[in-house]
Amino acid sequence: GAGVSQSPSNKVTEKGKDVELRCDPISGHTALYWYRQSLGQGLEFLIYFQGNSAPDKSGLPSDRFSAERTGGSVSTLTIQRTQQEDSAVYLCASSLDPPGRTYNSPLHFGNGTRLTVT
Amino acid sequence: EDQVTQSPEALRLQEGESSSLNCSYTVSGLRGLFWYRQDPGKGPEFLFTLYSAGEEKEKERLKATLTKKESFLHITAPKPEDSATYLCAVQPGGGSYIPTFGRGTSLIVHP
Repeated sequence: GAGVSQSPSNKVTEKGKDVELRCDPISGHTALYWYRQSLGQGLEFLIYFQGNSAPDKSGLPSDRFSAERTGGSVSTLTIQRTQQEDSAVYLCASSLDPPGRTYNSPLHFGNGTRLTVT
Repeated sequence: EDQVTQSPEALRLQEGESSSLNCSYTVSGLRGLFWYRQDPGKGPEFLFTLYSAGEEKEKERLKATLTKKESFLHITAPKPEDSATYLCAVQPGGGSYIPTFGRGTSLIVHP
């Protein structure tokens, strides 16, 4: 079946511009995560959505970052006034429900959006 | 704060040369430990979940084991197609559902 889809796959933007990154999770998956992966670094948690609950925004690095999830499905990560340090691969993942609650809920990742801020 | 440390950072093997990757962790009440494989330009792909010390999981040439402080990913007689970055993640207990990832081990298997 269809996996997690992210668009665009690559995005080059000028410093100071706003960007929107899109994530289409696997149908029926209630949990959705955004992570950021920089060269040589681990996956850095950004934000987590679970069903209709308030999102966990504890990983967002600054107020320039925001995300929403519409209708419990598609999610958009928005970065305002981009800076060069925002350059990274932004990964989205979904799971059937929070990992650990059942034995069958690993994270399923998309292939990411590579963001380059010039 | 949950921490995951993977070693070595990079590993080069000859085809058929078995080895192990290490994932050391500190977490408040482990709910699960996950192994993923990541190919260049792709997102991580799920391999295994381990829940309690002593548990083992196998898939083809890979076997994952878990103790109270670390997990090992054993690779037996690796092939060039096993070349990838292997990521370890821990899921804490309590009310948090945010997995913490290590930086990964980059594995290259030479033919």
